[in-house]
Amino acid sequence: SQKIEQNSEALNIQEGKTATLTCNYTNYSPAYLQWYRQDPGRGPVFLLLIRENEKEKRKERLKVTFDTTLKQSLFHITASQPADSATYLCALSFSSNTGKLIFGQGTTLQVKP
Amino acid sequence: DTAVSQTPKYLVTQMGNDKSIKCEQNLGHDTMYWYKQDSKKFLKIMFSYNNKELIINETVPNRFSPKSPDKAHLNLHINSLELGDSAVYFCASSRGQGARSARYTFGSGTRLTVV
Repeated sequence: SQKIEQNSEALNIQEGKTATLTCNYTNYSPAYLQWYRQDPGRGPVFLLLIRENEKEKRKERLKVTFDTTLKQSLFHITASQPADSATYLCALSFSSNTGKLIFGQGTTLQVKP
Repeated sequence: DTAVSQTPKYLVTQMGNDKSIKCEQNLGHDTMYWYKQDSKKFLKIMFSYNNKELIINETVPNRFSPKSPDKAHLNLHINSLELGDSAVYFCASSRGQGARSARYTFGSGTRLTVV
């Protein structure tokens, strides 16, 4: 069956450390993988998109890797801050022309001062 | 100016009632979506419209009916509400229609509680 799995347990780290979140998928062939941030009571906010032929993408303190062989994406936040505390969602999109995104259930990150 | 706005933010209603949620985007996007987020935080697509044309219609009870009067608006009408319909409903929009452009802008959600 098709699945997208993110760590359901919250990730707690100390301020200043690097947070690494994992997104694994099964029986999908995504053309793109996206990461979103969701704060309580708010809608998800787009962070980064990476294509299937890209290994790594960076934006400020964020880095995403995409390994289509392992069927895995890693999302890194370097020099983490308490303001980075939120739920992070990965989402897959496909070459079909529908724009449909399939979301993982998200991992909650808590950065302690 | 809010990019994607949904109303109402909270909706508490009794079983069996009919209710609507409205969504408007001022981004000039061509495609709009409705997603449902359940208590386990899974976001699942329900519908999408591109320029007023229905593109995605997932396996959703036919008590749910989307309506897009123009490309800036996508409303969701729900008939005969059931307890299991309680969830947060998110509207989103994206430019174009292909995967390449499917970077969503979400509204802040409508928390529907059926009692």
